[in-house]
Amino acid sequence: DVKVTQSSRYLVKRTGEKVFLECVQDMDHENMFWYRQDPGLGLRLIYFSYDVKMKEKGDIPEGYSVSREKKERFSLILESASTNQTSMYLCASSFWGPQHFGDGTRLSIL
Amino acid sequence: SQQGEEDPQALSIQEGENATMNCSYKTSINNLQWYRQNSGRGLVHLILIRSNEREKHSGRLRVTLDTSKKSSSLLITASRAADTASYFCATDAGQGAQKLVFGQGTRLTINP
Repeated sequence: DVKVTQSSRYLVKRTGEKVFLECVQDMDHENMFWYRQDPGLGLRLIYFSYDVKMKEKGDIPEGYSVSREKKERFSLILESASTNQTSMYLCASSFWGPQHFGDGTRLSIL
Repeated sequence: SQQGEEDPQALSIQEGENATMNCSYKTSINNLQWYRQNSGRGLVHLILIRSNEREKHSGRLRVTLDTSKKSSSLLITASRAADTASYFCATDAGQGAQKLVFGQGTRLTINP
C-alpha cells in the first residue's frame, strides 16, 4: 500500500511565523501535490510537482512556496503565516490517475 | 476553479438503502475519479472511469459516466454505517496533466 505521511496532524503557529509542512511518500511517485481544504470551498490546489526540483503553481499559490529536493519529499512553506491560512492541508502523490493522500495537517494561525 | 459539482450537497438515508450522488463538470476530460473522505482524514481513491467508458463497478460501487451531458453518478448499494463520509468527484480537465480538480463533495450519512 502507498503511504503518504504528513509530519503533523495538528499545528498551531502565530501570525508572521515561517511555517513548514512536510510530506513524504514511499512509492517513488513522480507527482506530488499540496491542497488546502476549507468548508464550503472543497479542495483547492496550492502547488504541485512533477519531478525533483520542479514545481507548478496551482489555483491558490499566493502566500505559499514549495520545495522538492528529493523525490519522496514535498514541503509546503508559508512564508509569513496569516490567520486566513488557517485550514486543513492535504498532501497527495501519484504515478498516474489515482492520487494517494496523507491524513492532513490541521493548521491554526493565531 | 471548480470543475466538478456534486449533487446533493448532503444526503441522509437508512442503512441498507442505496445512495446515489451526482457530479457535473464543465470541460472535456480524460477520466473522472471518485474519492471518499472520513471525518478528519485524508481522501481515499474509490474508482476511476475513463472518458471512453460508460459504466464501472467495484464491489458495492457503481459509477456511470455520460460525456455528452458532462455528468457522472456514484451509486452505493446496500449502504452500511461505515459508508458515512464525504464523497468527491475529481476530473483531470482533459489537460493530460496529472493534476485534478475536485468538486465540493456530498456529505453522506447512513442512519442505523
